[in-house]
Amino acid sequence: AQSVTQPDIHITVSEGASLELRCNYSYGATPYLFWYVQSPGQGLQLLLKYFSGDTLVQGIKGFEAEFKRSQSSFNLRKPSVHWSDAAEYFCAVGARYGGSQGNLIFGKGTKLSVKP
Amino acid sequence: DAGVIQSPRHEVTEMGQEVTLRCKPISGHDYLFWYRQTMMRGLELLIYFNNNVPIDDSGMPEDRFSAKMPNASFSTLKIQPSEPRDSAVYFCASTTSRNEQFFGPGTRLTVL
Repeated sequence: AQSVTQPDIHITVSEGASLELRCNYSYGATPYLFWYVQSPGQGLQLLLKYFSGDTLVQGIKGFEAEFKRSQSSFNLRKPSVHWSDAAEYFCAVGARYGGSQGNLIFGKGTKLSVKP
Repeated sequence: DAGVIQSPRHEVTEMGQEVTLRCKPISGHDYLFWYRQTMMRGLELLIYFNNNVPIDDSGMPEDRFSAKMPNASFSTLKIQPSEPRDSAVYFCASTTSRNEQFFGPGTRLTVL
């Protein structure tokens, strides 16, 4: 079955510390990969996406993610966290082929808290 | 582009009343999605359309929920009758094939 796992429900980091949010997927073939961020009371905003090519992708707000095919992972990283990064982060995958290419499967999210 | 537009942004109603949520997707997008988000269940896909045709409605919780897309620029999600457990934030999103979904700001529904 297709699925996305974000093993950490809640993470707390200090401002200025580095961050890594984990995402693993189970899919029939290499999917498209996305990270979204949701600030309180807001909709989901795309941080970055991987379709093909360089497996290290850069996104907005200083975030990056690395696709590792052998580990079926797409972990999100940021070298130095800012207080404004406190939000919930969702990993998602989408099909490259087939009739449901617009549909995405979302993980359950990781809530990030930032300590001053 | 104005992005995905949802209305109303907030809705408070009483149990048993009919509720209609509205969504205008981004022009040119041929997929439209309705999601529900709660603390307990997280983000759930309710239904999605491709070229105005419902493709997968397996996430619709029960017959009280219905969704329509009469044209490429408008969709509705209707709950009749509403119940307190329907209280949630409902998101609409749109996309083109093999691309990221763009989310609207959501409608916060409270059923008393």
